Order: sequence, then structure tokens, then C-alpha cells
Amino acid sequence: DAGITQSPRHKVTETGTPVTLRCHQTENHRYMYWYRQDPGHGLRLIHYSYGVKDTDKGEVSDGYSVSRSKTEDFLLTLESATSSQTSVYFCAINRDRGLSKGTEAFFGQGTRLTVV
Amino acid sequence: GESVGLHLPTLSVQEGDNSIINCAYSNSASDYFIWYKQESGKGPQFIIDIRSNMDKRQGQRVTVLLNKTVKHLSLQIAATQPGDSAVYFCAETPRGNQGGKLIFGQGTELSVKP
Repeated sequence: DAGITQSPRHKVTETGTPVTLRCHQTENHRYMYWYRQDPGHGLRLIHYSYGVKDTDKGEVSDGYSVSRSKTEDFLLTLESATSSQTSVYFCAINRDRGLSKGTEAFFGQGTRLTVV
Repeated sequence: GESVGLHLPTLSVQEGDNSIINCAYSNSASDYFIWYKQESGKGPQFIIDIRSNMDKRQGQRVTVLLNKTVKHLSLQIAATQPGDSAVYFCAETPRGNQGGKLIFGQGTELSVKP
């Protein structure tokens, strides 16, 4: 959707290989997030960023690292992919909906990753 | 740990009927709740939100109700249409949660029969 682009959209990789997923935003938002979505678990936060070079862990951060060298890009890296990391990965930004309306997490289209 | 969960994993309704999707949350400190709709192959899409100082909020064909006494959230969809078929998630943001991180429920799949 407008504002967020995830790449690649689909990827199949072998166990033990490194994988990097990219999230690109065009709206200059400060906060960016990586979630994974699995059946029976809904969406779970992996890592998030609150500015360039500022990142923090989420609920399921083990096995993942992130980097944010510029505002528009937030990278998620699986250093050594495992089958348990087969999932759909969503990037999100926090979009301010104006005073008293709160903020809205706006999601990308997702990346389907399969680790074989 | 804290969690947000849904009572029913699936809901089937007739086109034109009203739908009610329920959600229970366990963190009484949460002060902001959102409902998302996710269609197949797409990311979650914002539907409506509500703050903890409110009991009810209405949008276009949707209403969210918040009962803080029993920590229950519901989404009501009026005159359900085939295009409403999707998975619906509730999400919460606990008070003081830095960066607006969301805790999601497992989701309810809504199926609309023509």
C-alpha cells in the first residue's frame, strides 16, 4: 500500500543461510516495526525502531537483528535461518492521525518467507 | 504474561445481518485499543480505535464497545457485506508503552454468506 514497500514479497531459503528483509517508507515516520504472523499466534513484534540507529527488541527477537541507517529503511536480518522462522513478516509504521485521534500502525503487504 | 485473545476463531453470518466480534484483554493498564481487518494476502488494515476513557465509538457501519469492568472489547459490523469477509484482530497498547507497540489477539475469521 501507499507509503510502505516490503521486499522481497516472497522468498525461499535454506536452513543456515542469512536472509535480509527490507522495509522502505516514504512518509518520514519515526517509528517502524517488524512483526511476524503465524497461525494461532496473530502478529508478534520482533523488533522496532524509534529513530535512525535507535532500535529495541520486541516479544520474539531471538534469531533476528535489525538496522536502521536512514529514516526510510528498516532492515530485518536472520543471521542463520531456521525452519521455525518460516512465517509471514510485516513491516509497520506509526502514522499519527492527528491530535486526540491517536496513532495508527500502518502495515506493509508482507513478506512470505519459507525456510527449507 | 499479558495477552489479548478472541473468544471465537470463526464467525459465519448471512449477508445483511449484523456481526459481532469479541475480544478479551488481560492488561487493565492498556489505554488504547484498535481493530484491524486483514484480507487474504494483505497486511492488516486499520478499522477503528478507542481509548480507555470511552465506552463506545462509531464509524461507518462499525462500532467498537469497550467494557473495562470485564476487560472486554467488541466490534460490531452493521449490515455485513461479502467484502467484510476477512480476519479481524483486536490489538492493545498498554499505558506507558514506548513507541506505541501493539499486542495482538489471535484473530477471528469472518465469513459472509450471500
